[in-house]
Amino acid sequence: DAKTTQPPSMDCAEGRAANLPCNHSTISGNEYVYWYRQIHSQGPQYIIHGLKNNETNEMASLIITEDRKSSTLILPHATLRDTAVYYCIVRVAGGLGGGSQGNLIFGKGTKLSVKP
Amino acid sequence: NAGVTQTPKFQVLKTGQSMTLQCAQDMNHNSMYWYRQDPGMGLRLIYYSASEGTTDKGEVPNGYNVSRLNKREFSLRLESAAPSQTSVYFCASSELGSPISYGYTFGSGTRLTVV
Repeated sequence: DAKTTQPPSMDCAEGRAANLPCNHSTISGNEYVYWYRQIHSQGPQYIIHGLKNNETNEMASLIITEDRKSSTLILPHATLRDTAVYYCIVRVAGGLGGGSQGNLIFGKGTKLSVKP
Repeated sequence: NAGVTQTPKFQVLKTGQSMTLQCAQDMNHNSMYWYRQDPGMGLRLIYYSASEGTTDKGEVPNGYNVSRLNKREFSLRLESAAPSQTSVYFCASSELGSPISYGYTFGSGTRLTVV
């Protein structure tokens, strides 16, 4: 079973920030939080990951609570092309290809609809 | 910048037929993976190969076999296709041993229908 809980769907107005929440209350100390998205049946696309500090890249920002039990992915200025299913995943990074603990386990994600 | 390449993109099989899905990556990644995705569902891991020469079962391995042909290539074989194997299949690759893994790179998928 996936170790994360996400709302099944969210709407966002184009140009506004999209804030996607994720609960991962059983996260272990050596597990990272990863975010991927899947646009209309394409292969999933890596967005960002973090351990305990907030992270930002050209696509998004990741805010992780101090107790690491939840996080929020922020798309600062959502566009229609950001309409996708967003997956929040916790896993051990690196290692022997991650081993079985490091494998990506996908839940059902959040379907984000960006509307004009 | 090919990344992960999957062939074929579409396939229709009759029940009982066999076929091999091909996957190749050009990023010198050590680890490779096969997932399936059924309508409205998340991806489920079928098999993975942590490094060249090794393969391991994932969540849903029954009815499939894999071969890690070399570092670049990882194939998935259906020996006797069943309608329950109708799905979209994704191949992915990732780095080995990096303390900060930048995640997986996925292919564009193979859409398989078994009739």
